[in-house]
Amino acid sequence: DAKTTQPTSMDCAEGRAANLPCNHSTISGNEYVYWYRQIHSQGPQYIIHGLKNNETNEMASLIITEDRKSSTLILPHATLRDTAVYYCIVGPQDDYKLSFGAGTTVTVRA
Amino acid sequence: ETGVTQSPTHLIKTRGQQVTLRCSSQSGHNTVSWYQQALGQGPQFIFQYYREEENGRGNFPPRFSGLQFPNYSSELNVNALELDDSALYLCASSLFHGELFFGEGSRLTVL
Repeated sequence: DAKTTQPTSMDCAEGRAANLPCNHSTISGNEYVYWYRQIHSQGPQYIIHGLKNNETNEMASLIITEDRKSSTLILPHATLRDTAVYYCIVGPQDDYKLSFGAGTTVTVRA
Repeated sequence: ETGVTQSPTHLIKTRGQQVTLRCSSQSGHNTVSWYQQALGQGPQFIFQYYREEENGRGNFPPRFSGLQFPNYSSELNVNALELDDSALYLCASSLFHGELFFGEGSRLTVL
């Protein structure tokens, strides 16, 4: 049973911000939103996670709506190296198991 | 700081054989998880180990088993290989919940 819904694919222009949406309407109060990405032929890479406040790190920003039913991952200045499958995952903080869905295939074009 | 390393990177087995995959966790990480990723799909959780004990298991049969050693490195063993076991096997180590550090994976082909 899928806990998150993401678009199958999206394109973005190099140098522009990439906004990746994720719906998680059944999220529980103790569940975090995690984002990972997987560049072709590599293992997944942790990007960011949050509970209810917006978060920012050197890679991206995570915007979570007030009702926590959806979120957006923002890559501020997409580069060709950001081309990857991006996974939005929800889960409790005390559970190491991550349930990956199909993710969004993001293609950054020059 | 050394990242997560896995071996071998590629291997080919035949149906019915057994395979052992190895993983060295990132320095200081005491938890190791294993995932199976079939072609075109997201990774699926197999199990995790914490301080040498299995600490959670996904929907995989008992012929998938593992070990974690005192230095936190880990092995994944699969017995009686089936064609559907062909996949990329990913190891991830962690210290903090939810922040997993993955290796590059071991690609297994079963003929």
